[in-house]
Amino acid sequence: DIQMTQSPSTLSASVGDTVTITCRASQSISPWLAWYQQKPGKAPNVLIYKTSSLESGVPSRFSGSGSGTEFTLTISSLQPDDFATYYCQQYKTLSTFGQGTKVEIK
Amino acid sequence: QIHLVQSGAEVKKPGASVKVSCRASGYIFTTSGISWVRQAPGQGLEWMGLIRVYNGNTNYAQKFQGRVTITTDTSTSTAYMELRSLTSDDTAVYYCVRDRYGLPLDYWGQGTLVTVSS
Repeated sequence: DIQMTQSPSTLSASVGDTVTITCRASQSISPWLAWYQQKPGKAPNVLIYKTSSLESGVPSRFSGSGSGTEFTLTISSLQPDDFATYYCQQYKTLSTFGQGTKVEIK
Repeated sequence: QIHLVQSGAEVKKPGASVKVSCRASGYIFTTSGISWVRQAPGQGLEWMGLIRVYNGNTNYAQKFQGRVTITTDTSTSTAYMELRSLTSDDTAVYYCVRDRYGLPLDYWGQGTLVTVSS
């Protein structure tokens, strides 16, 4: 199975900050990388797919980039609704999730 | 509207099996797959396996090989996930989710809490 390593595990930030989350794969998975947001008690929602494609209805402050084995999710101008946990997922070969990054209020 | 509705919470003893159902509506069931993802309390998401509904072919994460079986009943648009030889480490919320082969997971069930306790 492909392993996904996500960092950091926790990130403290303020409203208006720009934050970046990194995801590394154990082998090349380009471009089959997605990002999800999860809030407590809810199922995840997809934000980004195919590395950098924005899911319909997702605000443009979310963006994704990367290639090969290294990928990033950037949230520009963090909003109160963005405090949540974020997961990367490879879907090149079956599926694997990263361990998650909790974005909390500083 | 697309909905995936799962069966209710379960409490099982160690060593037992559990079978969770997931009824899909709002799309043609055979045109997508169904993946199962679980989440232990306070932990991350863990992909368990996938069924390609149109032909019934399955793939499982290495960790669950031999212990999990995913099936479907196309007559009722329902997917099932059975997990055997339960231990306390299997206590988690289990989600079914539509899998569109090469696209991200989009519609999720509401989750089913499985508690394993003696």
